[in-house]
Amino acid sequence: AQTVTQSQPEMSVQEAETVTLSCTYDTSESNYYLFWYKQPPSRQMILVIRQEAYKQQNATENRFSVNFQKAAKSFSLKISDSQLGDTAMYFCAFIDGGATNKLIFGTGTLLAVQP
Amino acid sequence: DTEVTQTPKHLVMGMTNKKSLKCEQHMGHRAMYWYKQKAKKPPELMFVYSYEKLSINESVPSRFSPECPNSSLLNLHLHALQPEDSALYLCASSHFNTEAFFGQGTRLTVV
Repeated sequence: AQTVTQSQPEMSVQEAETVTLSCTYDTSESNYYLFWYKQPPSRQMILVIRQEAYKQQNATENRFSVNFQKAAKSFSLKISDSQLGDTAMYFCAFIDGGATNKLIFGTGTLLAVQP
Repeated sequence: DTEVTQTPKHLVMGMTNKKSLKCEQHMGHRAMYWYKQKAKKPPELMFVYSYEKLSINESVPSRFSPECPNSSLLNLHLHALQPEDSALYLCASSHFNTEAFFGQGTRLTVV
């Protein structure tokens, strides 16, 4: 069974600084997708970034980038120039490339950006 | 249009009531999901519909009954719920095996 682990329940960062959130996963699949979702207090789950397992290049979206280490099954999220609006719960998520359509979430990291 | 619309946003129901949660998307997605989320916890998958057919039921109690009337709509029928069923219920949709788009959720309180 696939599992997703986030070992940092809470993190804090100063505005304008950089922070990295960790995620590890376990799967025997070779074809899969990884995501980071953000859930602010407004509760809307928002996709931050996605990574296809077959792509070696790390995904980037503006201030957000990932460090995807396939052999180590690690998928960390780096947020540069942190902003107050980045304060949210961040979930790492996994879906395999098969027929299940089963999106699995990690336990989440609560990020607080301090002014 | 990248919206998933859920109604109602808030719902309070008694343990003997019957109510329904509704979800709608117009992105042409053929996979739709129901998740349950408790405070400060990750979403827990309840049901997955693929091509309007139930493909995954994560051993959800029968007091929760999903329905997919067409490719754009997903309902969750609620009956005889317990207070521990109080949670945020999230609907999502996606193309197959790729990122899901989520609605804003229904905050359900069972009294």
